[in-house]
Amino acid sequence: EADIYQTPRYLVIGTGKKITLECSQTMGHDKMYWYQQDPGMELHLIHYSYGVNSTEKGDLSSESTVSRIRTEHFPLTLESARPSHTSQYLCASSDLHSGSAKNIQYFGAGTRLSVL
Amino acid sequence: AQKITQTQPGMFVQEKEAVTLDCTYDTSDPSYGLFWYKQPSSGEMIFLIYQGSYDQQNATEGRYSLNFQKARKSANLVISASQLGDSAMYFCAMSTVTGGGNKLTFGTGTQLKVEL
Repeated sequence: EADIYQTPRYLVIGTGKKITLECSQTMGHDKMYWYQQDPGMELHLIHYSYGVNSTEKGDLSSESTVSRIRTEHFPLTLESARPSHTSQYLCASSDLHSGSAKNIQYFGAGTRLSVL
Repeated sequence: AQKITQTQPGMFVQEKEAVTLDCTYDTSDPSYGLFWYKQPSSGEMIFLIYQGSYDQQNATEGRYSLNFQKARKSANLVISASQLGDSAMYFCAMSTVTGGGNKLTFGTGTQLKVEL
């Protein structure tokens, strides 16, 4: 059973607003990830972190930014939301060991963002 | 580069029957892992099963089994005795040790509908 939490679950916001999507995990995992997913489509990695003070861009370019000040917390921020940011955002964590392909990622429930 | 292909956008199965969801992959890395995730309409991603490239036996987890055919580069998910609660989107994913940086690459998914 994974213990990874995302808030808010749903967010409707106007264009130009700054938003932060929260993600926390209680499993002590070093690796954390953010994915973007449009309805019925595949997941695209937008950010990841291999530990405190480590953040990397993912495969899909995103205007969002992330930070990793504490192991358990990996928030995602959009400085100025636009309708094109409307999507589901999924956070995940894993206890991946170097040299292993067994990267089982445990996901939060997701945040469904709608920008008007 | 890693690639996952799921050629079935949608599948129907009758309750209590078995169903196979197809997944093929492509990688030049000899060490890799294959994963299946379930995504119900509520949006969260649920880890189902994992198969390592060096595992000798096919993975099984309850009603889920992974039909791993390395020479054909396929990793099909078999769900036995389908239940109404199995209706969901199913994603195949892959992780490699070297080329992929231990990130997960997802397929486009298969929407499974279990009928009475």
